[in-house]
Amino acid sequence: GAVVSQHPSRVICKSGTSVKIECRSLDFQATTMFWYRQFPKKSLMLMATSNEGSKATYEQGVEKDKFLINHASLTLSTLTVTSAHPEDSSFYICSARDKMGQGVNEQFFGPGTRLTVL
Amino acid sequence: GDSVTQMEGPVTLSEEAFLTINCTYTATGYPSLFWYVQYPGEGLQLLLKATKADDKGSNKGFEATYRKETTSFHLEKGSVQVSDSAVYFCALSDPPGGSYIPTFGRGTSLIVHP
Repeated sequence: GAVVSQHPSRVICKSGTSVKIECRSLDFQATTMFWYRQFPKKSLMLMATSNEGSKATYEQGVEKDKFLINHASLTLSTLTVTSAHPEDSSFYICSARDKMGQGVNEQFFGPGTRLTVL
Repeated sequence: GDSVTQMEGPVTLSEEAFLTINCTYTATGYPSLFWYVQYPGEGLQLLLKATKADDKGSNKGFEATYRKETTSFHLEKGSVQVSDSAVYFCALSDPPGGSYIPTFGRGTSLIVHP
């Protein structure tokens, strides 16, 4: 149980285009999903917290107009990188917290999406 | 604020060697503690967890004990395998009922040679 998927796993796009990454909880409902960015040989940087049915909460320094987050249902959150540039190239990871989960604040992580902007 | 400090890597070992990756934390409350593992090109997988002092988390031969007195959660394995080569992240989270924003350490790369 507690599987989170991401799609696509890898994407290459041209500079100036927009890319959408999907994060799905497959066997549980997630009122809260998180989006992280990971640079090479670095830890995870929390970008934003995505709450179902409401606006995402962005961390300081993360441009909300650049990284659009939509959490339209209890099993799906999307991250759209708008007008992507080479500096946006990174490994993006989502995670989800089980709506019914109590006691241990455990997150379940997706496999990540490698974005390369040419 | 909360923070997690891990030993810097990479840690390079021969197969069947003993592994220790140190992790210490700073928290205002009583957090839950986790170790996650990330294999090359993949996302994070929960390796083990502990929710209160003196709890021992264990999985796949890995162990870590929640030491409140030393604010530590060191990861250990008695005999590593080549397949254990990965990056290991120590993390903490606020206690149940608190606003949950996890805090990760910087990660420690483990390289195991045959």
